[in-house]
Amino acid sequence: NAGVTQTPKFQVLKTGQSMTLQCAQDMNHNSMYWYRQDPGMGLRLIYYSASEGTTDKGEVPNGYNVSRLNKREFSLRLESAAPSQTSVYFCASSPLDRGTNQPQHFGDGTRLSIL
Amino acid sequence: DAKTTQPNSMESNEEEPVHLPCNHSTISGTDYIHWYRQLPSQGPEYVIHGLTSNVNNRMASLAIAEDRKSSTLILHRATLRDAAVYYCILRGRGSTLGRLYFGRGTQLTVWP
Repeated sequence: NAGVTQTPKFQVLKTGQSMTLQCAQDMNHNSMYWYRQDPGMGLRLIYYSASEGTTDKGEVPNGYNVSRLNKREFSLRLESAAPSQTSVYFCASSPLDRGTNQPQHFGDGTRLSIL
Repeated sequence: DAKTTQPNSMESNEEEPVHLPCNHSTISGTDYIHWYRQLPSQGPEYVIHGLTSNVNNRMASLAIAEDRKSSTLILHRATLRDAAVYYCILRGRGSTLGRLYFGRGTQLTVWP
């Protein structure tokens, strides 16, 4: 079972370059999320999409944009990468929550370094 | 969402039980208690969640204090594969859909 697939797994960028991180899930989940994790820290929510066609900002949205391409795919774009965006990025998905506390399923992350 | 407090690190020997504590003194009546864990170089993995009653599943047990101000994740027999960072998270029923607030968690070391 693939679950949540993130590509690429590793990437090095120069300051000012742009890049799109891809995420796809095969569990027919409605909701999808992007988090970042800095060294020694917990995850912080960047953006989320409660259902196809909707997106909302999380805790740390500045410098990022997202696209919910379809029910399966949710991409994260860095328009002009900055060293402060060096981090591990995780995508997650879950069934539509509506307060029922559905667990989230995470990918294995994209390790992004910006020089 | 209310905050949780966990020890930074804990250690255990293989095949021994592990009790991972979490304090959440400001928990509201509708907050669920969730646990996730993160193995090295992997994304977080859901472990268990509960509201008031103790919960069991194939991975672990969750013991919730009667006043709900604290909870304990119990791994009945630790294995080397259980070495991970464990996160205790509160999620309000009807809170912003799907949002998880991760703290720094507890780093569990399991010795052979």
